[in-house]
Amino acid sequence: EIVLTQSPGTLSLSPGERATLSCRASQSVGNKHLAWYHQKPGQAPRLLIFGASTRAAGIPDRFSGSGSETDFTLTISRLEPEDFALYYCQQYGSQPLTFGGGTKVEIK
Amino acid sequence: QVQLVESGGGVVQPGRSLRLSCAASKFTFNTYGMHWVRQAPGKGLEWVAVISYDGINKFYADSVKGRFTISRDNSKNTLYLQMNSLRSEDTAVYYCAKADYYGSGTLHCFDYWGQGTLVTVSS
Repeated sequence: EIVLTQSPGTLSLSPGERATLSCRASQSVGNKHLAWYHQKPGQAPRLLIFGASTRAAGIPDRFSGSGSETDFTLTISRLEPEDFALYYCQQYGSQPLTFGGGTKVEIK
Repeated sequence: QVQLVESGGGVVQPGRSLRLSCAASKFTFNTYGMHWVRQAPGKGLEWVAVISYDGINKFYADSVKGRFTISRDNSKNTLYLQMNSLRSEDTAVYYCAKADYYGSGTLHCFDYWGQGTLVTVSS
């Protein structure tokens, strides 16, 4: 099983600042099959990035993903008020599918 | 717009059973793999199970293997999760989620999610 470790646990930033979230895998994620989601309280997660770097439909270009093998990054170039939420990475390179523990992006 | 609507959650005693349903619409259900993902109160996301578009291939998380069964009825555009021998640690919101691409395979990310249904296992 691939274990995903997200860091930091909490990121305290102000609107307009840049956010950098990390997701590290315990072994290589095949075919860059790494996705990012955000989740707001009381809502289902929403897909942001798939294939490590491809934005999902309707996702603004302030969101970008990068990385390969065991190290992946989600960057939000300029935080908007609606971006303060929980963020999860997920690998789908092998069974069982696994999620990271999440990073909370909160308003400073 | 794709719609996924879960139902069947509720309060159940440990050791009992429950069946969840997920009604799908606005996409060609019989060409996409489908998943269940759960989230315990205040916790992160945990993948539970996947079923291929044709119902042939199924995989489960170790935590539910042998107790949960995923199935689908393509004639009714509905996904199911039969949960037996429920434990307190199964308490969670259960989401159904659609695979990001159509066709064979069970390795997916999820481009659409339902709103979730809460299962509480308690005596």
